[in-house]
Amino acid sequence: EDKVVQSPLSLVVHEGDTVTLNCSYEVTNFRSLLWYKQEKKAPTFLFMLTSSGIEKKSGRLSSILDKKELSSILNITATQTGDSAIYLCAWGGATNKLIFGTGTLLAVQP
Amino acid sequence: DVKVTQSSRYLVKRTGEKVFLECVQDMDHENMFWYRQDPGLGLRLIYFSYDVKMKEKGDIPEGYSVSREKKERFSLILESASTNQTSMYLCASSRPGTTTDTQYFGPGTRLTVL
Repeated sequence: EDKVVQSPLSLVVHEGDTVTLNCSYEVTNFRSLLWYKQEKKAPTFLFMLTSSGIEKKSGRLSSILDKKELSSILNITATQTGDSAIYLCAWGGATNKLIFGTGTLLAVQP
Repeated sequence: DVKVTQSSRYLVKRTGEKVFLECVQDMDHENMFWYRQDPGLGLRLIYFSYDVKMKEKGDIPEGYSVSREKKERFSLILESASTNQTSMYLCASSRPGTTTDTQYFGPGTRLTVL
């Protein structure tokens, strides 16, 4: 059965810290890896990584895909209170569906 | 910008009631999805649809049905609501082609079944 695991489940940091969120998967026929940020409402799209694009960066956020290790990381540098959210990763495999991890709850304290 | 809207942000129903959750997207996406989100369980796929009148079961379809009569609208139906269906329900859509393209989410409906 396809599975996605995120770690840690939750994290508390102070403003200015750098955080690394992890996502590992066991899926058949990898197609894509997506990261979402969810605040109080709907998840909003951050990045999509594929075999042809294994590293993405946007401002203080960056993500790397490691196909050999079947994992991905999301880095946030110089964290701000506005980064507080649930971060979800999702994998696309042979079933043509996205499989979501349970998410990492990040709390950034002033 | 893609816009996905859901008919209600908050909904309270009684056990046994029939519940309709509506989702509308304005980007001519062929793929539409219904998820529920529960603490510790993440997003779980209930049903999805590749096109009008087409539907496929997701991971947890029991107790739910769906309807896709028009391309822009995807409805989730709880035939007889139960307390274990209390949850946040999220609708999403994605552009034509592969389902694993970026999915755009609506704001969610928090359903409470008493």
